[in-house]
Amino acid sequence: QKEVEQNSGPLSVPEGAIASLNCTYSDRGSQSFFWYRQYSGKSPELIMSIYSNGDKEDGRFTAQLNKASQYVSLLIRDSQPSDSATYLCAVSNAGNMLTFGGGTRLMVKP
Amino acid sequence: EPEVTQTPSHQVTQMGQEVILRCVPISNHLYFYWYRQILGQKVEFLVSFYNNEISEKSEIFDDQFSVERPDGSNFTLKIRSTKLEDSAMYFCASTVGGANEKLFFGSGTQLSVL
Repeated sequence: QKEVEQNSGPLSVPEGAIASLNCTYSDRGSQSFFWYRQYSGKSPELIMSIYSNGDKEDGRFTAQLNKASQYVSLLIRDSQPSDSATYLCAVSNAGNMLTFGGGTRLMVKP
Repeated sequence: EPEVTQTPSHQVTQMGQEVILRCVPISNHLYFYWYRQILGQKVEFLVSFYNNEISEKSEIFDDQFSVERPDGSNFTLKIRSTKLEDSAMYFCASTVGGANEKLFFGSGTQLSVL
């Protein structure tokens, strides 16, 4: 069974700090990796996608992928209170479905 | 930005009743999905739909569930005989080229089975 694991948190960081979110996955055939943000009671919203080993930066966000270790991470620089949300790691293989982790709740304190 | 729209936003039903959840995917998208999220739990894949047929489904998507694209715009999820454990937020999503691309999610239908 394909699993995506995340620490549920909460992860608490002060405003302006770097938040580091981690995810591991079980299926070595996984090809595409995503970070979604979900505010309470809302639908998931894509933050980052990454497809190859290494780092990918987009504004304050950096996604990191290590396929050998089956590990994906998301760094949020200069964290803002508006970044407070649950961050969902999602993984896709060659099929047509996403497998989501349980999410990490991030709290950014002013 | 174009949106996936879902109706209704809330649905309350009695156990054993049939419900139909409705979705209008983004117009140029070709792949359609239903996911659900029980309160406090993971977002779970139910089914994917492409070229007017189911392309993949999960173990959750048993004979009580069905999907349909009755016309060129709507995409529906039917639960034939609802159970208490079907209570969840149901999200419709769509993409242009499949699950390796950005999924655009609708705002969800909160289903409560009493």
